[in-house]
Amino acid sequence: DAGVTQSPTHLIKTRGQHVTLRCSPISGHKSVSWYQQVLGQGPQFIFQYYEKEERGRGNFPDRFSARQFPNYSSELNVNALLLGDSALYLCASSFGLAGGSGTDTQYFGPGTRLTVL
Amino acid sequence: AQSVAQPEDQVNVAEGNPLTVKCTYSVSGNPYLFWYVQYPNRGLQFLLKYITGDNLVKGSYGFEAEFNKSQTSFHLKKPSALVSDSALYFCAVRAYNAGNMLTFGGGTRLMVKP
Repeated sequence: DAGVTQSPTHLIKTRGQHVTLRCSPISGHKSVSWYQQVLGQGPQFIFQYYEKEERGRGNFPDRFSARQFPNYSSELNVNALLLGDSALYLCASSFGLAGGSGTDTQYFGPGTRLTVL
Repeated sequence: AQSVAQPEDQVNVAEGNPLTVKCTYSVSGNPYLFWYVQYPNRGLQFLLKYITGDNLVKGSYGFEAEFNKSQTSFHLKKPSALVSDSALYFCAVRAYNAGNMLTFGGGTRLMVKP
């Protein structure tokens, strides 16, 4: 079975531009989460989507937005790019919402490396 | 707020020797704890998790982790290290009421020398 897939692999943009990153979850998984990993740091949570609704948001500005489609794939959009947005953007999928059971494991894709010049 | 500390930026170990990668956490309520590994230019690969039950959790590739509630620690261990274990290891915590939001530590680079 295919794992989490992300596109594109690499992306180079200039300051002020807009970018769209895409993610396809593992088949059967309904939840997608997005993380930003700046070089030398651990990933930071950006968004969680479940059944096309936003279910969690990290401490990121409104320039960051996302959506989930009926087939559970997802897009992350970043407007007005800044140099500091340069990072590896990771998508993770899980079966459900996790909630209080804690049993849900998130499986990560290979990431999209965004470079902002 | 939840947080994770990985006090060692790098751990060096000789092949065949046991390894330990340290992790401490802070979270309200019962913690859900995870270890992931990242190879160069790759995403995160799930190793193991602690949800409840036995404090010693066994995972992929011979790795295991010990949950210690009193010390709020979740150290990753392996009895005999391989050169191929060299990678970046991340500990993460999720609060019971935090949905899927994982909070990661800063990572520990494991170097296994032949």
